[in-house]
Amino acid sequence: QLQLQESGPGLVKPSETLSLTCTVSGGSISSSYYYWGWIRQPPGKGLEWIGTMSYSGSTSYNPSLKSRVTISVDTSKNQFFLKLSSVTATDTAVYYCSRWAGYWGQGTLVTVSS
Amino acid sequence: DIVMTQTPLSLSVTPGQPASLSCKSSQSLLHSDGKTYLHWFLQKPGQPPQLLIYELSNRFSGVPDRFSGSGSGTDFTLRISRVEAEDAGVYYCTQSTHVPLTFGGGTKVEIK
Repeated sequence: QLQLQESGPGLVKPSETLSLTCTVSGGSISSSYYYWGWIRQPPGKGLEWIGTMSYSGSTSYNPSLKSRVTISVDTSKNQFFLKLSSVTATDTAVYYCSRWAGYWGQGTLVTVSS
Repeated sequence: DIVMTQTPLSLSVTPGQPASLSCKSSQSLLHSDGKTYLHWFLQKPGQPPQLLIYELSNRFSGVPDRFSGSGSGTDFTLRISRVEAEDAGVYYCTQSTHVPLTFGGGTKVEIK
């Protein structure tokens, strides 16, 4: 059974960079035809797509975040990553990683505060 | 961006009764490859969204057959034939035909 697990700091200071790791187990991140993505959900609110990386390594980002977002992968560790720069309080959210669309991590709350 | 509008905002259903949830998109979700990338998720409190229906009408692995998806173009429906207590939560539709992927605001389903 495929499993995904997010990890990273739960507290980030304003203007700094949020960095999260998604560790995949039970399957290879290099498998063809799958897309790997990040989605976030501010407390008590709806879902927002951050970006996706294809099995070929190409990336697609939400234009509202594009200038601040980078998604990358380390196939040797079966992990993919999210970096979101210049964060503000509005970036406070539960961040989910997903093998789109059927498999999700449990999510990790990241709070942006000084 | 494609705007996804879900109605109703909330729904209270008696166990064993059917339920119908609507989702409308601001543009057609029919992709040039002939598929409609409209998906339905259920999110229970404190849990990640779980995929119910993908690409308009395909049930994801392990999803009971009381869930069904239908529609075309800009108008979509999720039907639950006989609601059970475990079906409570917030239902989201989402489209991945167009970038950026966008989600509806959700329909909260309460079981009476």
